Amino acid sequence: AQSVTQLDSHVSVSEGTPVLLRCNYSSSYSPSLFWYVQHPNKGLQLLLKYTSAATLVKGINGFEAEFKKSETSFHLTKPSAHMSDAAEYFCVVSDPSGYSTLTFGKGTMLLVSP
Amino acid sequence: DVKVTQSSRYLVKRTGEKVFLECVQDMDHENMFWYRQDPGLGLRLIYFSYDVKMKEKGDIPEGYSVSREKKERFSLILESASTNQTSMYLCASSSTSRRETQYFGPGTRLLVL
Repeated sequence: AQSVTQLDSHVSVSEGTPVLLRCNYSSSYSPSLFWYVQHPNKGLQLLLKYTSAATLVKGINGFEAEFKKSETSFHLTKPSAHMSDAAEYFCVVSDPSGYSTLTFGKGTMLLVSP
Repeated sequence: DVKVTQSSRYLVKRTGEKVFLECVQDMDHENMFWYRQDPGLGLRLIYFSYDVKMKEKGDIPEGYSVSREKKERFSLILESASTNQTSMYLCASSSTSRRETQYFGPGTRLLVL
């Protein structure tokens, strides 16, 4: 069985400072990993995904994530936060066997102050 | 663009009522999913379907059933709604060729009184 742990329920940053959202995973297989974002009253949007190609994955809106197998981590980063980045972020792992269902982390709320 | 629509954005029901939540996708996707989202718990998979008339239980199927009579439509049914089913319900779909990439609807916020 696979699982993800998002290490922070809330992260607060100032506009223009770096963003780091932490995620650790557990999987019996070589996992596929994702980050999704949910803005207030909006649907879930895929930010980026890792599927065993390059370990550094670039996504939309300047976000990127690095897959580190030795640390079982998939942290999400952005060099400079914008006010529009304020949202809830979910780290997700996929079971590559069978039906490829997704297992979501509990979410990290990113707060961006001026 | 893939579009996943859900029949209602907000719904208020009474305990014991039978509740239907409808989801429609327009991209001919084979796979469809129902999740519930609760604060601090993330999304949890209720049921999914990989073909018409086929269904599989997810992590939390108790108290729910589903129906998939047509490829584009996937219904979630609460046979007898209870207050602990108050939640945000999200539908998603994916193709078999790219099954890990799911597209989500806007969600239905259900309040059971």
